[in-house]
Amino acid sequence: EIALTQSPATLSLSPGERATLSCRASQSVSNYLAWYQQKPGQPPRLLIYDASNRATGIPARFSGSGSGADFTLTISSLEPEDFAVYYCQQRSNWPPRVTFGGGTKVEIK
Amino acid sequence: EVQLVESGGGLVQPGRSLRVSCAASGFTFDDYAMHWVRQAPGKGLEWVSGISWNSGTIGYADSLKGRFTISRDNAKNSLYLQMNSLRTEDTALYYCAKALGSSWYDAFDIWGQGTMVTVSS
Repeated sequence: EIALTQSPATLSLSPGERATLSCRASQSVSNYLAWYQQKPGQPPRLLIYDASNRATGIPARFSGSGSGADFTLTISSLEPEDFAVYYCQQRSNWPPRVTFGGGTKVEIK
Repeated sequence: EVQLVESGGGLVQPGRSLRVSCAASGFTFDDYAMHWVRQAPGKGLEWVSGISWNSGTIGYADSLKGRFTISRDNAKNSLYLQMNSLRTEDTALYYCAKALGSSWYDAFDIWGQGTMVTVSS
């Protein structure tokens, strides 16, 4: 089973700063990598799919990059509403499995 | 409006069974794969199971050890999760999620609000 490791576990930043979140897979996942944002009391929201495609309605300050086993989510300039927990996710076609990373909490410094 | 509404959660004793449901609306249900994802209190996301549009491809998390069964009824626009031999560690908020496209391995673009399952004696 493919494991996803997210780092750092917590990122303390100020509004306006750049956030860089990492997700590393235990083996290549091609580009079947997605990023989600979750705020307290809410379901996750899809931000990025297939490593670098922004989902509908997601602001341009969110961008995804990477391929193979190393991926990055970048928030170019943090807005107050961006402080949340972020998860990466990979999907494999066979065997059909989905894995989430442990999450990165972006908190206000 | 695209919407997923879960139901059927509650308090259940260890070893018992429970079935949770997800009612879909606002989109053509049988065009998309669907998934269940759970989140224990204060913990991260854990994928539980997924099913392709025609039930031809089904996957489960290895940790479930065959206790859960996913199914769908396209005529009723509904997704189900039958949970047997429940354990205290199955206590979680269970989310229903829609795949972005028709492929089983598409990302999840729509999520419900979840239904809480508590396993306790």
